[in-house]
Amino acid sequence: AQSVTQLDSHVSVSEGTPVLLRCNYSSSYSPSLFWYVQHPNKGLQLLLKYTSAATLVKGINGFEAEFKKSETSFHLTKPSAHMSDAAEYFCVVSDLSSGTYKYIFGTGTRLKVLA
Amino acid sequence: DADVTQTPRNRITKTGKRIMLECSQTKGHDRMYWYRQDPGLGLRLIYYSFDVKDINKGEISDGYSVSRQAQAKFSLSLESAIPNQTALYFCATSDPTRGGGADGETQYFGPGTRLLVL
Repeated sequence: AQSVTQLDSHVSVSEGTPVLLRCNYSSSYSPSLFWYVQHPNKGLQLLLKYTSAATLVKGINGFEAEFKKSETSFHLTKPSAHMSDAAEYFCVVSDLSSGTYKYIFGTGTRLKVLA
Repeated sequence: DADVTQTPRNRITKTGKRIMLECSQTKGHDRMYWYRQDPGLGLRLIYYSFDVKDINKGEISDGYSVSRQAQAKFSLSLESAIPNQTALYFCATSDPTRGGGADGETQYFGPGTRLLVL
């Protein structure tokens, strides 16, 4: 069965410093992986996705993630945090293990950016 | 995403009441989903529909029902609301024809409905 583990429930960084949000997955099939962001009182916005093409995926707002099959990881990074990055981030895995594509969400990482 | 709308955005109701949450989309997608979000638990799938005649239970369907009135509309009902159903509810859509399996069927989410059951 597929599963997702977000290793940190909360991450705090100073503005201008790098961001690392960690995600490990389990999948018996070739997975697709996604990162979504949820700003306070907002819906979910797609940041980026991996779908078996390039392992380094670039997304919106300067975020990127690298798919590492050997480590079953899909960590989200950004070189320099901005105050507007403060939000909750969800890692998602999707594969055909149930016969059709369905999302499995991680429990989320809340990112705090300090001035 | 403005292409997926949810009504109401906020709702307060009492235990035992029946309520309906509505979702509409203009993306032309066949597949629609209902999730609930609870703090620390991420999003969990309640029901999903692959077309108007296809309804499937998700991992937490007990206490909920759905109706797919048209390709563009998917409603979630709580027949007899209980405080445990207090949560943030999201509707989402996807299109299996876009990139097929290689796309992983990206889902697009509405803004959410915040429900409080007293």
